[in-house]
Amino acid sequence: DQQVKQNSPSLSVQEGRISILNCDYTNSMFDYFLWYKKYPAEGPTFLISISSIKDKNEDGRFTVFLNKSAKHLSLHIVPSQPGDSAVYFCAASARGYSTLTFGKGTMLLVSP
Amino acid sequence: EPEVTQTPSHQVTQMGQEVILHCVPISNHLYFYWYRQILGQKVEFLVSFYNNEISEKSEIFDDQFSVERPDGSNFTLKIRSTKLEDSAMYFCASGREKNTGELFFGEGSRLTVL
Repeated sequence: DQQVKQNSPSLSVQEGRISILNCDYTNSMFDYFLWYKKYPAEGPTFLISISSIKDKNEDGRFTVFLNKSAKHLSLHIVPSQPGDSAVYFCAASARGYSTLTFGKGTMLLVSP
Repeated sequence: EPEVTQTPSHQVTQMGQEVILHCVPISNHLYFYWYRQILGQKVEFLVSFYNNEISEKSEIFDDQFSVERPDGSNFTLKIRSTKLEDSAMYFCASGREKNTGELFFGEGSRLTVL
């Protein structure tokens, strides 16, 4: 049962362009959403998060958008840089619980 | 910058053997977790630990698994009798607060069961 879905296993973008990574969820109890970035042989690293009371959160080049009615969130990276090449995981947690439910990840490749 | 450290980075074991994976969470964090990622699959929650007891666990975390915080700094995951399907990357994580969900992960311990 995939409560958090990342339907694109990979995404290729040119340096300087926008990267858009998408994530859908099914559990209406989720109220906090996060994006993690993972390089090979490393653990996931927190990138940005958003609470369900907001629809947008921005941090530098990274912006996360939340559409609660569609149960959809997206991560925008602009401008994309080669160092952004990694696997990006969408994750969600439900009120009262501290555990994270992860999607399968999207591998982003930013080419020079 | 404080980080979560895990040892060993890679362990190879025979099926049926006991394995203990070690983690040192960030010192002022109160919530501790184990997640795992089987090759090619998503990161899966195993167990969370708070105030010296398990607070949540998944269906993966059966009687073969146990966690312990033997002192003020270490957090261990024990697998009593390993199975082939236990082969995975095991990530330890810690967090300051319960509901923000922001966790700090270690680099992982790769377990290979032969």
